[in-house]
Amino acid sequence: GESVGLHLPTLSVQEGDNSIINCAYSNSASDYFIWYKQESGKGPQFIIDIRSNMDKRQGQRVTVLLNKTVKHLSLQIAATQPGDSAVYFCAERLGGTSYGKLTFGQGTILTVHP
Amino acid sequence: DTAVSQTPKYLVTQMGNDKSIKCEQNLGHDTMYWYKQDSKKFLKIMFSYNNKELIINETVPNRFSPKSPDKAHLNLHINSLELGDSAVYFCASSQVGGQPQHFGDGTRLSIL
Repeated sequence: GESVGLHLPTLSVQEGDNSIINCAYSNSASDYFIWYKQESGKGPQFIIDIRSNMDKRQGQRVTVLLNKTVKHLSLQIAATQPGDSAVYFCAERLGGTSYGKLTFGQGTILTVHP
Repeated sequence: DTAVSQTPKYLVTQMGNDKSIKCEQNLGHDTMYWYKQDSKKFLKIMFSYNNKELIINETVPNRFSPKSPDKAHLNLHINSLELGDSAVYFCASSQVGGQPQHFGDGTRLSIL
């Protein structure tokens, strides 16, 4: 499959379980963070974002947690479904760069087994 | 009804050739971007334009030249293609200074 040889972190879960995907970001001056989902052959698709003045934000079935002390971001997906299988990327934006330059993490492959 | 559309989806060509990739967005955004995704899925910004003006230019060989005829279009021209240019190139757009960025489905460039 496409993931062979990529050596990205992987997470395998059963359908219906909750998934947690983690991300360590690099710059303590980053003011905005975002999660993307990328399915095979597609572009990254926006999931959820959070600003640095928050530590938690919830969407539909997804929650993003931000821990600025340890520069850690996580994405929680509730009741994971096979359609959630994809590569997930976190990205950060350095504060003050108003033109939106995002620095992406390496990605995590999520596989959901029926 | 695609929001960010790129053409072509696949591009296979010989080393040394010159090629262009086109991008159009119908979201009314002011800012557009080009990203390169390598074989390890690493996604890195190359360029950004705001209302036809270049605002981000990462360390990219000058064989790569973006052009924005209007704020809804951002094309990427590549001269003298090299084997290392093989990658998937993504176009994206956003409101000026804003997020999130919306991505196209990519152009897979393969150099023979």
